[in-house]
Amino acid sequence: EAGVTQSPTHLIKTRGQQVTLRCSPISGHTSVYWYQQALGLGLQFLLWYDEGEERNRGNFPPRFSGRQFPNYSSELNVNALELEDSALYLCASSLGQITTDTQYFGPGTRLTVL
Amino acid sequence: RKEVEQDPGPFNVPEGATVAFNCTYSNSASQSFFWYRQDCRKEPKLLMSVYSSGNEDGRFTAQLNRASQYISLLIRDSKLSDSATYLCVVNNLNRDDKIIFGKGTRLHILP
Repeated sequence: EAGVTQSPTHLIKTRGQQVTLRCSPISGHTSVYWYQQALGLGLQFLLWYDEGEERNRGNFPPRFSGRQFPNYSSELNVNALELEDSALYLCASSLGQITTDTQYFGPGTRLTVL
Repeated sequence: RKEVEQDPGPFNVPEGATVAFNCTYSNSASQSFFWYRQDCRKEPKLLMSVYSSGNEDGRFTAQLNRASQYISLLIRDSKLSDSATYLCVVNNLNRDDKIIFGKGTRLHILP
């Protein structure tokens, strides 16, 4: 069974640009979570989607947004990139909207903002 | 007090030794707890869930102490392959439904 997939694996952008990251959950999983892992800061919760709806978001500015498609895949959009947005962006999926569900992570997208 | 705190380490432990580390959490209403393992430049992978009664999986034992608000992970007979960063995860089933990862504890098993 395929795990969580993310694309692209690496991305280099310049300040002010916009970026879109993509995530495909494990088949049968309806919940998708996005996290930012910056150096020295640990995983920071960004967004949680379930059944196409945004269920919760972390303490990030509105320029971080996303959506979930009918096939449960998801996109994370970051506008007006700043240098501190450089990080590993991880997507995870789980079976349902209960937050006790085990989350399975994708390999991540490493974003570098110059 | 931070919501989830872990000793960052590193813990340098000889192969075969037993090592334990804790993770404290601030929200007494937290409902579920997990330990994840993250290898360098890789994604986190679930190690084990943590149940109130404590649970064991081979050489790994996880425990929850609700009174003192911490969870622990014990690794017995440590192997070189156990070298990784161990992240604790706390899910709060409150209005915010927040999922909080600790920053992780780095473990180095020495030959």
